[in-house]
Amino acid sequence: DSGVTQTPKHLITATGQRVTLRCSPRSGDLSVYWYQQSLDQGLQFLIQYYNGEERAKGNILERFSAQQFPDLHSELNLSSLELGDSALYFCASSVGPGAKETQYFGPGTRLLVL
Amino acid sequence: AQKITQTQPGMFVQEKEAVTLDCTYDTSDQSYGLFWYKQPSSGEMIFLIYQGSYDEQNATEGRYSLNFQKARKSANLVISASQLGDSAMYFCAIRITSGSEKLVFGKGMKLTVNP
Repeated sequence: DSGVTQTPKHLITATGQRVTLRCSPRSGDLSVYWYQQSLDQGLQFLIQYYNGEERAKGNILERFSAQQFPDLHSELNLSSLELGDSALYFCASSVGPGAKETQYFGPGTRLLVL
Repeated sequence: AQKITQTQPGMFVQEKEAVTLDCTYDTSDQSYGLFWYKQPSSGEMIFLIYQGSYDEQNATEGRYSLNFQKARKSANLVISASQLGDSAMYFCAIRITSGSEKLVFGKGMKLTVNP
């Protein structure tokens, strides 16, 4: 158990819908990262927050948004869902920024868009 | 930009044998970190081992060790005394110091440990 929690574990929804994925980082970790894992794209970085502020953006679609709250939990919002958004979404956390800081991953949310 | 290459799509090893999983990387940065993660069929990503670009010694964590060859830009994972529970996907990743702290992952490789 990494200490990072994600809910829900599984999500099945329809095209055009909007969903919210939730992540609680490990106790004491200030950085939260979101990654998407799909068969064709592999593991891709989406976005990073550090202590409530957006720190870096990756290959995140405009239909997707995220935020980190004062209690440091984070939510990833996916809207106008398309079939291609079906993937495993991971949240990871680390103590802070820095190349040495290990990112610990949550169990993931498996999203299926029908 | 950083890039990780894992060319072995799959490997088979007998239980209790050692196995080496290959990883080469490309970056123009001098300061970076290399990570290995394991993803069993249940889907979670499990951190295994870390190697810093300035670390003089190869990293070790229990049965895992990293064969770091900086000049060749390779960071191979060595698993000693394989166990059935080691059967999983293995991902190599790189993270640079400057800019975003994102991890850039390779495509992964599947290890199967046979009894």
